[in-house]
Amino acid sequence: DAKTTQPPSMDCAEGRAANLPCNHSTISGNEYVYWYRQIHSQGPQYIIHGLKNNETNEMASLIITEDRKSSTLILPHATLRDTAVYYCIGLRNTGNQFYFGTGTSLTVIP
Amino acid sequence: DAGVIQSPRHEVTEMGQEVTLRCKPISGHNSLFWYRQTMMRGLELLIYFNNNVPIDDSGMPEDRFSAKMPNASFSTLKIQPSEPRDSAVYFCASSLDRGSGYTFGSGTRLTVV
Repeated sequence: DAKTTQPPSMDCAEGRAANLPCNHSTISGNEYVYWYRQIHSQGPQYIIHGLKNNETNEMASLIITEDRKSSTLILPHATLRDTAVYYCIGLRNTGNQFYFGTGTSLTVIP
Repeated sequence: DAGVIQSPRHEVTEMGQEVTLRCKPISGHNSLFWYRQTMMRGLELLIYFNNNVPIDDSGMPEDRFSAKMPNASFSTLKIQPSEPRDSAVYFCASSLDRGSGYTFGSGTRLTVV
């Protein structure tokens, strides 16, 4: 599974869009990009995943570059409750085991 | 749907004692995962079951750790004997096959003194 690289921390003003980047330059053609987040003291929560097309759900949007070497998770209107650690993970479509890295600690500032 | 249910939420035990952590996955999910989280090592995958069968236990730290899944609705993670370095938050997660996304439980915070 692809190694992913994320900035260790980011800040975002409340109400603004939070754009969280992830580099996965070694990703292979059959690997999906998954995003999870973990709010303090809780279990990780699934956000979204995609292969090569951009994806959107009620929580976030996922933008994957055409070469698939990087992606961006977008929280369109960040709230204080979005303060969490966000994990980007690459997973083969034959795999089912997520290995979490260190993620990005997002702080939403009032 | 009650989600993934773990018990107990908190456990404090003395070194050398046996500890059993419990997990009830979401009904219909056929994969179950045990993770351990510490400040130093982050989230570590310990073991993974598919259709109640252990598939990959390479993350289990040592023989003191064992996990079972006697049926589709219940799994246990046992530590015997426990040591202070086992102190961590243990998460259970379940999913359908093929990367549909995990649902995590609320975790068990284990403290071994």
